[in-house]
Amino acid sequence: NAGVTQTPKFQVLKTGQSMTLQCAQDMNHNSMYWYRQDPGMGLRLIYYSASEGTTDKGEVPNGYNVSRLNKREFSLRLESAAPSQTSVYFCASSAGGQQETQYFGPGTRLLVL
Amino acid sequence: GNSVTQMEGPVTLSEEAFLTINCTYTATGYPSLFWYVQYPGEGLQLLLKATKADDKGSNKGFEATYRKETTSFHLEKGSVQVSDSAVYFCALTYTNAGKSTFGDGTTLTVKP
Repeated sequence: NAGVTQTPKFQVLKTGQSMTLQCAQDMNHNSMYWYRQDPGMGLRLIYYSASEGTTDKGEVPNGYNVSRLNKREFSLRLESAAPSQTSVYFCASSAGGQQETQYFGPGTRLLVL
Repeated sequence: GNSVTQMEGPVTLSEEAFLTINCTYTATGYPSLFWYVQYPGEGLQLLLKATKADDKGSNKGFEATYRKETTSFHLEKGSVQVSDSAVYFCALTYTNAGKSTFGDGTTLTVKP
């Protein structure tokens, strides 16, 4: 049981390049989330998907897009990367409903030059 | 809106010392409260949770009690170990709402 997996683990981009961060979960969870973690700022929610086929903006959605491809997969796309998007990105999932515990992936470390 | 305020770190303790990390929250209604732990280079993982007032969550020697009257959920451990060195996050979530609000995290370093 792999839980939540993320790819890649580490990426270096130049300003203006695009990339997609991949996330998959094998726990049959309904809800999935993308966060970014920056020093001294805790976790900030970028986008979330309460169920397959739905997505909603979180606290810091600008510069990002998401796709809930199916129940297992939730991808995050940076169309034109900026240095301000240098961060560690975490994907998480939860069963939803009464089960609020979130399960996190190992993270993707992104450096934008 | 909802918010979670954690004790500022970093916190440095000697092995076997008593640990308290303060967490207070601002929210309407009755959220569930969580402590997550993040070890170096890893994602967050659930440490303990409490879903209603006066509930006590516990795991691995850590405890926290949901205090609605003081809107607090302080994390405690009687005797810390070097392996407890990590970043600890307090969070709240409303049932059926999915989204969580996280504190900024408190870095704990335990020295032998």
